[in-house]
Amino acid sequence: KQEVTQIPAALSVPEGENLVLNCSFTDSAIYNLQWFRQDPGKGLTSLLLIQSSQREQTSGRLNASLDKSSGRSTLYIAASQPGDSATYLCAGSNDYKLSFGAGTTVTVRA
Amino acid sequence: EAGVAQSPRYKIIEKRQSVAFWCNPISGHATLYWYQQILGQGPKLLIQFQNNGVVDDSQLPKDRFSAERLKGVDSTLKIQPAKLEDSAVYLCASSFGTSGGDTQYFGPGTRLTVL
Repeated sequence: KQEVTQIPAALSVPEGENLVLNCSFTDSAIYNLQWFRQDPGKGLTSLLLIQSSQREQTSGRLNASLDKSSGRSTLYIAASQPGDSATYLCAGSNDYKLSFGAGTTVTVRA
Repeated sequence: EAGVAQSPRYKIIEKRQSVAFWCNPISGHATLYWYQQILGQGPKLLIQFQNNGVVDDSQLPKDRFSAERLKGVDSTLKIQPAKLEDSAVYLCASSFGTSGGDTQYFGPGTRLTVL
């Protein structure tokens, strides 16, 4: 069974600082890893999906890496903005089933 | 393209009452998922449908929860009778395909409070 952990549970940074969010998983036979954003009272929005054969994915200011051997993924958000404040969740997929971490709640201070 | 629709957005009930949630996935998406998200935790998969068949319901408390996806389109999740620990956000998601490589699109969720 895939176990996904995200540490820390929360962090606060000043605007403009780069964000580094960590995700670890137990089963290296991962199919893919996804990063989601969740705003209060809303559903999840998919940010990036990294296939098991890939090492990273990029979209705008976002970059996510995947290291299956160490069981880790990292989401980088460059030059953070107050609008980046949200909860970020990672999820590992083994076949079709997604296993989610509890998320990291980010606050970007203006 | 319209997103995943869910209703109601909020529901408050007494324990032992019943409740139902509705989900309409993105048009053309074969796979539909129901997740339970307890405060402070990540979503947990309750049930997955492929068209109108159940792929996985291993984490669905079948003594009180039921779900159906008639005609392979919209879906209903029911809880009867509800317990205090069922208080959570119930998220519906859909994806075009059935493999783990497909992006899942989530609805806004239904926040259930059981008193």
